[in-house]
This record gives sequence, C-alpha cells and structure tokens, in this order.
Amino acid sequence: GAGVSQSPRYKVTKRGQDVALRCDPISGHVSLYWYRQALGQGPEFLTYFNYEAQQDKSGLPNDRFSAERPEGSISTLTIQRTEQRDSAMYRCASRGGGPQYFGPGTRLTVL
Amino acid sequence: EDKVVQSPLSLVVHEGDTVTLNCSYEVTNFRSLLWYKQEKKAPTFLFMLTSSGIEKKSGRLSSILDKKELFSILNITATQTGDSAVYLCAVFIIQGAQKLVFGQGTRLTINP
Repeated sequence: GAGVSQSPRYKVTKRGQDVALRCDPISGHVSLYWYRQALGQGPEFLTYFNYEAQQDKSGLPNDRFSAERPEGSISTLTIQRTEQRDSAMYRCASRGGGPQYFGPGTRLTVL
Repeated sequence: EDKVVQSPLSLVVHEGDTVTLNCSYEVTNFRSLLWYKQEKKAPTFLFMLTSSGIEKKSGRLSSILDKKELFSILNITATQTGDSAVYLCAVFIIQGAQKLVFGQGTRLTINP
C-alpha cells in the first residue's frame, strides 16, 4: 500500500466497553509497532511484531490490552473494559529494514 | 532507564530565520536516531542517523549525530510558515526487543 493506514480514525466509547483498533502496514513491511501518544508528548511504545510473532509486549499497560497480527500483515490492538485513562491517540508504524513509518492514528475517547 | 530529551520544548521565530533543535539521549543498545515532523497527522519521517559526524541534508533541513557526546541537532534554514510543526527526536534501540524511544518534541512556530 501507499502508506500505513489505521481505522477507525476516531472512536468514542463508554467506559467498560471493548474496542478494537486496526492497523494496515505498508505492503511487505515485516515489522509492525503500536504506540500510544498523549497530548503534548512523544509516542510511547506498546508492542511490536515481526511477521505474525509478537516479539515484545512490555509496553502494554496491563492485561486489558492485547494485540495480534495473525497473518503477518494487518494487526489489531484490543482494549477490554475501557477506562477513561485509556483515552489517547493510538499510532501504528511499520518498518521494512529502515525507518519506521507511522499511520494517522486512532483517537480514542472513553467517556 | 532509556531517555531522550529535546530542547527547547517550544520555539517561536520569524519567517526566514534559522533554527537549531537539540536532542540528547541516554540509552542502552543504540542503533540509530531518527527525526520526525508532526503536524496534525502522522509523524513524517525526516532523517535517520547511524554514524557520527556525517551530516544528512534535505533541502533546507539538515541533521548531524554525535555518538560520543550523545546528541543530535536538526537545523532548518530560511524557515517558512509551513515548517511550523512539532519535531520529534527518537532513538531506535535493539535489546532483544526493538523500539523507538521518543523525546517530548519541540513545538516550532514560524510567524510571517
């Protein structure tokens, strides 16, 4: 694809609901990363995949957060039982051996 | 703990001025340092630096890395209003895992 795409671009949900955020990386990129960005801050690492294997999930805040990339392409970040503190911009990036290229992000608002 | 610090956090200049943005880091397992420009959407890749002392240049933007003193600078000459953005510095580390560690960003405003 031309770039990294993410959907939805905006998600508003009520506290306690589950949400699923999707990332479609640049075609052929082996590595896929998830970050969370608070207002006025740089992105913070959550987790990453090489192909379909989740190599590191040390940045996931707690066990309500999970991610998968079952076929080594599209990835889904799932947040269960959302809380207001989960409100943030969630960004995905992919890498094919050089720099990481970022998607437009999903802005999640938990009411 | 891996740390990337950018300065200044905010900068306001007039169109045509030259600016220098700073990034210092303390990390283990350094692989490369990257600069991104972020407007209202995705961070856009500018430069990736792996070797000390070699300037990378793209138009009015240039950047250099000093791996001995652990810092990098991003220069923008003849600034234009379109350069207004947040500039993010990030260090790519590999220690089993791979990840970018970002600084807080420098918010640059160019006034006409």
